[in-house]
Amino acid sequence: QQQVKQSPQSLIVQKGGISIINCAYENTAFDYFPWYQQFPGKGPALLIAIRPDVSEKKEGRFTISFNKSAKQFSLHIMDSQPGDSATYFCAASMKGTYKYIFGTGTRLKVLA
Amino acid sequence: DAGITQSPRHKVTETGTPVTLRCHQTENHRYMYWYRQDPGHGLRLIHYSYGVKDTDKGEVSDGYSVSRSKTEDFLLTLESATSSQTSVYFCATGRGGQDEQFFGPGTRLTVL
Repeated sequence: QQQVKQSPQSLIVQKGGISIINCAYENTAFDYFPWYQQFPGKGPALLIAIRPDVSEKKEGRFTISFNKSAKQFSLHIMDSQPGDSATYFCAASMKGTYKYIFGTGTRLKVLA
Repeated sequence: DAGITQSPRHKVTETGTPVTLRCHQTENHRYMYWYRQDPGHGLRLIHYSYGVKDTDKGEVSDGYSVSRSKTEDFLLTLESATSSQTSVYFCATGRGGQDEQFFGPGTRLTVL
């Protein structure tokens, strides 16, 4: 199964709160999981990525948690700010391929 | 945007007309991709290229063709546009493998 299922579709968080976006996959051949951030009117840009040999990766306020046995991974945005308001896409890729399978996206709004 | 431009940025056309979208990169990246972005579907790969004159189909390639005669240019053609091809189209480039993909600013296409 090539799909990557992403939830929720939209999310509203208060400033300073924690934003959590979840993704799940079926294909155990996936071995690279990036998250992309897209601001309105712009193309997506890489935010953070993880491989399944680690359970967590943190870059500033952004953390990916990875659960290999459950085939799930999630993006946590700590101390969410209005500037984080954007659409977030998870993705998955198999070794030896040059393609990503993207999730359906989560529109995040952080209220000031 | 890693030196990626797309043209046109906006286009309105009628059903049955041919349409060509252009992606131009200045980064000398080997890989180039065309995606479409639709609400509820996220980013879906249409076609990709792994070198000059080397292209392959993505998950939603029906009704689309591509050409790459130079490293820097990747063209997407809708031979006979349909209303279902109304979308925002993004070009992306990459150095290869699972490396980061760099996205262009997008083209909004409306087929009436």
